[in-house]
Amino acid sequence: SQKIEQNSEALNIQEGKTATLTCNYTNYSPAYLQWYRQDPGRGPVFLLLIRENEKEKRKERLKVTFDTTLKQSLFHITASQPADSATYLCAPSNQAGTALIFGKGTTLSVSS
Amino acid sequence: ETGVTQTPRHLVMGMTNKKSLKCEQHLGHNAMYWYKQSAKKPLELMFVYSLEERVENNSVPSRFSPECPNSSHLFLHLHTLQPEDSALYLCASSREGLAGDGGELFFGEGSRLTVL
Repeated sequence: SQKIEQNSEALNIQEGKTATLTCNYTNYSPAYLQWYRQDPGRGPVFLLLIRENEKEKRKERLKVTFDTTLKQSLFHITASQPADSATYLCAPSNQAGTALIFGKGTTLSVSS
Repeated sequence: ETGVTQTPRHLVMGMTNKKSLKCEQHLGHNAMYWYKQSAKKPLELMFVYSLEERVENNSVPSRFSPECPNSSHLFLHLHTLQPEDSALYLCASSREGLAGDGGELFFGEGSRLTVL
């Protein structure tokens, strides 16, 4: 069955450092992968989408990579700030017509 | 403000009650979804509607009953729930058909349900 693993439940880093979150998937051949941010008690918010033919995608301080050989996506936040503290969810998708399925998420805490 | 509004934000109900959750999207999207989020578990897809037709139903117990009267509104009718159904229920919409074709999801803020 399809499985999504995000490297750890919690990640603590200091302000100014780069946060790296990992998303691994098995029994999947996603055409693309999405990343979302979720704050406590609120709905997830879309951040980035990367397609299988794109190695890397950037948006301001965010960078996502997609390695279809390793079946892995890495999500980087550079120059992290306390405001980046949240839970980050990855959602690889499969063929068209299949709704998104999410990983458990990694909760990032950035301390000043 | 994501353009997806859910009401009520909080709901407490007994196991014998009947209640409904409401979702409205102001984005002109064609697909709407219900997800369930329990503590320490990933988002669980419950129902998907595309152009007002149910296209996915992930083995959800019959005590949850969805309704999509038009492309802007989605309801989740609840009856004889169990305490383990307590969770955050999230509604989402996407622009074209299902999110599997590359469309991002726009989520509401969720309805926090507590079943006593």
